[in-house]
Amino acid sequence: DQQVKQNSPSLSVQEGRISILNCDYTNSMFDYFLWYKKYPAEGPTFLISISSIKDKNEDGRFTVFLNKSAKHLSLHIVPSQPGDSAVYFCAAGGSNYKLTFGKGTLLTVNP
Amino acid sequence: NAGVTQTPKFRILKIGQSMTLQCAQDMNHNYMYWYRQDPGMGLKLIYYSVGAGITDKGEVPNGYNVSRSTTEDFPLRLELAAPSQTSVYFCASSFRPSTDTQYFGPGTRLTVL
Repeated sequence: DQQVKQNSPSLSVQEGRISILNCDYTNSMFDYFLWYKKYPAEGPTFLISISSIKDKNEDGRFTVFLNKSAKHLSLHIVPSQPGDSAVYFCAAGGSNYKLTFGKGTLLTVNP
Repeated sequence: NAGVTQTPKFRILKIGQSMTLQCAQDMNHNYMYWYRQDPGMGLKLIYYSVGAGITDKGEVPNGYNVSRSTTEDFPLRLELAAPSQTSVYFCASSFRPSTDTQYFGPGTRLTVL
């Protein structure tokens, strides 16, 4: 039972355009959501997070939107740069000690 | 700060062999985690620890054991390696649980033949 779903295995965008990565979840007990970025042969690194009491969080070129009623969040990257090419994982946490990760979306930003 | 370090980076095991994956962090984090990532899949939690001497099972603990004798170290033991344990293993740590950023090590790529 996949509680965190990233339905797009890959996404390709042109440099300078917007990248939108999507994530859906099923567990209503999740109250904190994070995006991690992973380059090949490296561990994931934290990118941005959002609490369930908010619907938007922005950090530079990265914005995360949360729609609790739809159990959906998205990561917007504007403008996209070639260095953003990586696998992006959505993760969700609740009152326990654990994070549940999606399968990831491979973003390719073409120059 | 070195952050989270893992050794070895790569290892090939034969079926039935055992090994220990090492993980250390120098950030004085109480919470530490072991994940595995199979090709095309997300990270699955194997074991976690909320402090020295306290460990608990995650989603996929079978075939693994952990110990946490110090705050810094959280080794993962594989007993009787099987091909299904071929994966990339990541160790992570955080200051607070779940709602806090987890810092990941670079991973250990393990192949069991």
